[in-house]
Amino acid sequence: GDSVTQMEGPVTLSEEAFLTINCTYTATGYPSLFWYVQYPGEGLQLLLKATKADDKGSNKGFEATYRKETTSFHLEKGSVQVSDSAVYFCALSDRGGTYKYIFGTGTRLKVLA
Amino acid sequence: GAVVSQHPSWVICKSGTSVKIECRSLDFQATTMFWYRQFPKQSLMLMATSNEGSKATYEQGVEKDKFLINHASLTLSTLTVTSAHPEDSSFYICSARDVTGTGDYEQYFGPGTRLTVT
Repeated sequence: GDSVTQMEGPVTLSEEAFLTINCTYTATGYPSLFWYVQYPGEGLQLLLKATKADDKGSNKGFEATYRKETTSFHLEKGSVQVSDSAVYFCALSDRGGTYKYIFGTGTRLKVLA
Repeated sequence: GAVVSQHPSWVICKSGTSVKIECRSLDFQATTMFWYRQFPKQSLMLMATSNEGSKATYEQGVEKDKFLINHASLTLSTLTVTSAHPEDSSFYICSARDVTGTGDYEQYFGPGTRLTVT
């Protein structure tokens, strides 16, 4: 079945450092891909998305490119801030009619001042 | 736009009682809503898919009689945890898909409900 694999956390960075959180997927079709962010005690907020190969999603300085050839959707940010500390989830949505999401395990990011 | 609310945001109940959690889409209609459970520091586990006007589809291993789901309208789905026990304590999150979805299959998430069973 479809699956999402994320890099293990936690990731600890200094402010203004470069961030990469790896995400790879396996899917039988052509899923849509998402990054969600979860702050402590809160629900999930959509960070960015991409619906087809080579699409680049971007928001708040974060970027991710849908790479079909490597089945990847890595999240990047050039300069992180303390306020970016959160848990980041990669997800795919099947297009087979059920609209289910499959989530990665989540990666906790901690940014130090 | 695309706001999903949950009520209550947190609830404490005694073992053996039932608790109902509401999930509402505030500014759009949702034929499909999803219920997830999240354990501390873990990912989201899909419990069931709720379709308006029909029975929910439960994921393998989720007890239907334990977690009752009702999707009575295009803007409301409810999850009732029946005869709750301490092991049911968790963070429950719902999401909804806009019925006019453009095809990019995005779900909109509620803020979650923290359930503590004592």
